[in-house]
Amino acid sequence: GAGVSQSPSNKVTEKGKDVELRCDPISGHTALYWYRQSLGQGLEFLIYFQGNSAPDKSGLPSDRFSAERTGGSVSTLTIQRTQQEDSAVYLCASSYRTGSYEQYFGPGTRLTVT
Amino acid sequence: KNEVEQSPQNLTAQEGEFITINCSYSVGISALHWLQQHPGGGIVSLFMLSSGKKKHGRLIATINIQEKHSSLHITASHPRDSAVYICAVRSGLDSGAGSYQLTFGKGTKLSVIP
Repeated sequence: GAGVSQSPSNKVTEKGKDVELRCDPISGHTALYWYRQSLGQGLEFLIYFQGNSAPDKSGLPSDRFSAERTGGSVSTLTIQRTQQEDSAVYLCASSYRTGSYEQYFGPGTRLTVT
Repeated sequence: KNEVEQSPQNLTAQEGEFITINCSYSVGISALHWLQQHPGGGIVSLFMLSSGKKKHGRLIATINIQEKHSSLHITASHPRDSAVYICAVRSGLDSGAGSYQLTFGKGTKLSVIP
């Protein structure tokens, strides 16, 4: 079956603009995660969704970042008023459930803020 | 917060060599992941383990819970093994709050020369 897909693969935007990044998890996976990988930095957790439960937003770096997951499937990560430090690769992953389940990663969206 | 340290940061090996990448963490965990990231950026999960040893083809992962240490071994290395290898840990119990969050090491860049 299809893996995790993300769109767009690349996004260049001007400072101050809003951007939306999309993630389509593997069908049947109830857990969805967003991560960020900045240049020269390791991966960092941003936000997590599990089924219909309230998301864990503890990793979001500022209130300019938000995410939603509609119908327990597709997720959108929105960054408002983008800043140059937001430039990074944004990765989405899904797993069957939380706990001892492997996470499957999407190809990522490379965001460049000019 | 768990601190995850990987060594070495960079590793160059001749084709056929046996390779070891190390990962240490500071706080007890429920699971440890080894991930592979190719130059194109895609991330693949290699192993998820909470005790003992796992083997898949030429890859072997071990974990010592008491010493808070894991190793990834590659036997008979090949140029196609060239990638960044990332260790990530999940803290806490499967049912505990925050247990789904992964904390990542900064990665080990492996180059295998023909």
